[in-house]
Amino acid sequence: DTGVSQNPRHKITKRGQNVTFRCDPISEHNRLYWYRQTLGQGPEFLTYFQNEAQLEKSRLLSDRFSAERPKGSFSTLEIQRTEQGDSAMYLCASSPRRLWANYGYTFGSGTRLTVV
Amino acid sequence: AQSVTQLDSQVPVFEEAPVELRCNYSSSVSVYLFWYVQYPNQGLQLLLKYLSGSTLVKGINGFEAEFNKSQTSFHLRKPSVHISDTAEYFCAVSSSARGNQFYFGTGTSLTVIP
Repeated sequence: DTGVSQNPRHKITKRGQNVTFRCDPISEHNRLYWYRQTLGQGPEFLTYFQNEAQLEKSRLLSDRFSAERPKGSFSTLEIQRTEQGDSAMYLCASSPRRLWANYGYTFGSGTRLTVV
Repeated sequence: AQSVTQLDSQVPVFEEAPVELRCNYSSSVSVYLFWYVQYPNQGLQLLLKYLSGSTLVKGINGFEAEFNKSQTSFHLRKPSVHISDTAEYFCAVSSSARGNQFYFGTGTSLTVIP
C-alpha cells in the first residue's frame, strides 16, 4: 500500500461545469476525510466517512457539493456548477477508527482545482 | 469549539540557526495536538503529535515541540535548520469528539536562507 491516492492531481474547468475527484485511502483505514485548502490558509474540514456512512458535513459543503463512499473503500467528491470561489486544493485523508491519534491522518497529495 | 492560532505567517532563518514556530490553541475539551509539514504541491506529512504524557515530544527530521497546558501552546522547535526544511508548517488540534476532525492553523512559511 503506497498511501492515500488522489486523482486527478490538477483540474482546470470552466465556470458552471461539474467536476469529480477521486480518493483511494489506505486499505485498512475505515475513516476517510475531505478537506479544502485555499491559498494562504490551512486545510478546512468538509466531510468525513466511517466506512460507507457519511457521518458529518461542514457548513462549507454547500448543496453543489456531494461526496460518496459507496463500498467503504474509495470516495468521490463532486462539485456541480463550479464557481471561481471553488478554486482550491482538495485534500483527502484517511485514518483507522481505533488508535487514530497514534497515527494521525495520512493525507493524499491533493487535487488542485482551478475554475476559469 | 476548537481553534488554532499560528502567530507568525512567515519565518526566515539562516541555515544551521535554531527556529521556533509558534502555535496557540483554544478548546473546551481535552485535545490532541499535531504539527504537519507541507512541501510545495504536496499533501501534509505528520511531523509529530502530543496525545498525553511527557510534554516534550520529538518528531521526524529533528523537530520537537513542547505542550504547555497553562499557556495553551504547542510551539515547534529545531536547534539547527537545513535548506530542506523550507516548507509550510501547520499546527492542528483535534479531540476524540466530533469524528476526530482536525482544526488547522493558517500555517507558517519557513524559509531557510543559505
